[in-house]
Amino acid sequence: EAQVTQNPRYLITVTGKKLTVTCSQNMNHEYMSWYRQDPGLGLRQIYYSMNVEVTDKGDVPEGYKVSRKEKRNFPLILESPSPNQTSLYFCASSSRGRKNTEAFFGQGTRLTVV
Amino acid sequence: QQQVKQSPQSLIVQKGGISIINCAYENTAFDYFPWYQQFPGKGPALLIAIRPDVSEKKEGRFTISFNKSAKQFSLHIMDSQPGDSATYFCAASRYGGSQGNLIFGKGTKLSVKP
Repeated sequence: EAQVTQNPRYLITVTGKKLTVTCSQNMNHEYMSWYRQDPGLGLRQIYYSMNVEVTDKGDVPEGYKVSRKEKRNFPLILESPSPNQTSLYFCASSSRGRKNTEAFFGQGTRLTVV
Repeated sequence: QQQVKQSPQSLIVQKGGISIINCAYENTAFDYFPWYQQFPGKGPALLIAIRPDVSEKKEGRFTISFNKSAKQFSLHIMDSQPGDSATYFCAASRYGGSQGNLIFGKGTKLSVKP
């Protein structure tokens, strides 16, 4: 089954404690992205990657890091989480080209930073 | 600067009615305009998408109307059903697809009353 898998689904952590949210896709997609969803603000892109070892900032990259060492994985790293990073996070992947350009989203990770 | 503006923020429609959600964009380089549907506890999923070479696209009860000169596009849901109750996001991107930078509107929460 084609899917984007995020882990964990729920996470409560304390300010300053480094954490990683994993994302993996099994569709051999070149493009992967991270978004955060906040009430009234919609989906805002944090980082995206166009291929292995190629990443770029989205609209709200401050406080986040990413890496793309393998095509299927795109982890989101919070080196020193703060309460304003409490949010619902989504990973997405899509393929290159004008056909089959749908972005597939994971189930989401709800992060609470206290 | 909000590149994609979506309205209304929330919408209540009676079963069988027409739901209309509007979006406006600013960047004339955008050439791909998808709509995503999100149910509670799930990630967004592609509903329907359009490119600016056509003015309308219909898939079942869902229609996108696109006005290039006004830089506006809208989603029409005909014969709305309670199962359509969800949050809808419009989006826009360059390069003809979802790769890289999908810019989302803030979302519309649709409730269809039986």
